[in-house]
Amino acid sequence: KAGVTQTPRYLIKTRGQQVTLSCSPISGHRSVSWYQQTPGQGLQFLFEYFSETQRNKGNFPGRFSGRQFSNSRSEMNVSTLELGDSALYLCASSSTGTGRETQYFGPGTRLLVL
Amino acid sequence: AQSVTQLGSHVSVSEGALVLLRCNYSSSVPPYLFWYVQYPNQGLQLLLKYTTGATLVKGINGFEAEFKKSETSFHLTKPSAHMSDAAEYFCAVSAEAGTALIFGKGTTLSVSS
Repeated sequence: KAGVTQTPRYLIKTRGQQVTLSCSPISGHRSVSWYQQTPGQGLQFLFEYFSETQRNKGNFPGRFSGRQFSNSRSEMNVSTLELGDSALYLCASSSTGTGRETQYFGPGTRLLVL
Repeated sequence: AQSVTQLGSHVSVSEGALVLLRCNYSSSVPPYLFWYVQYPNQGLQLLLKYTTGATLVKGINGFEAEFKKSETSFHLTKPSAHMSDAAEYFCAVSAEAGTALIFGKGTTLSVSS
């Protein structure tokens, strides 16, 4: 099976712009989670989608949003970018999204905000 | 609420030496515990996990970890380090109710020849 794929891999934006990141989960996986990784804050949970519904959300401002499509692919959007949004954004998928399941991570999208 | 503490942000060992990366967790419910490894410019790869059953868990690349409820610990060990083990290691905890992984700050492992 192909792994989790994320596009694009690298992105440069300027403050105030918005950005959309894409994630394709492993075939058959219905749960997709997003994480932000920064040197200062480490790995932080953004949100999780299951069957096109947001099921769980981390402590991030409303500028961070996401959605999931019927084929389980997910997108994450950040509006009004700030310098502090520069980070590696990781997507992870699992079969049904229970806590005991392994989450399989993609390679990430590295976002730089200038 | 759940949390994870990884003691030591940087651990250095010689090739062939024992690797010990420490992880302590806090959880109000029975936890599920994970160790992930991240190589430069890559995502996270699962090394091993504890859900239920045997408290000594064996993972890939010769790593193992032991769940000790009384000490709220889940330390990662490997008897003999290889140069290829140099990477960043993350301990994480989750609960049955949701899939949010709570990660520790990570430990960078350096291996010298």
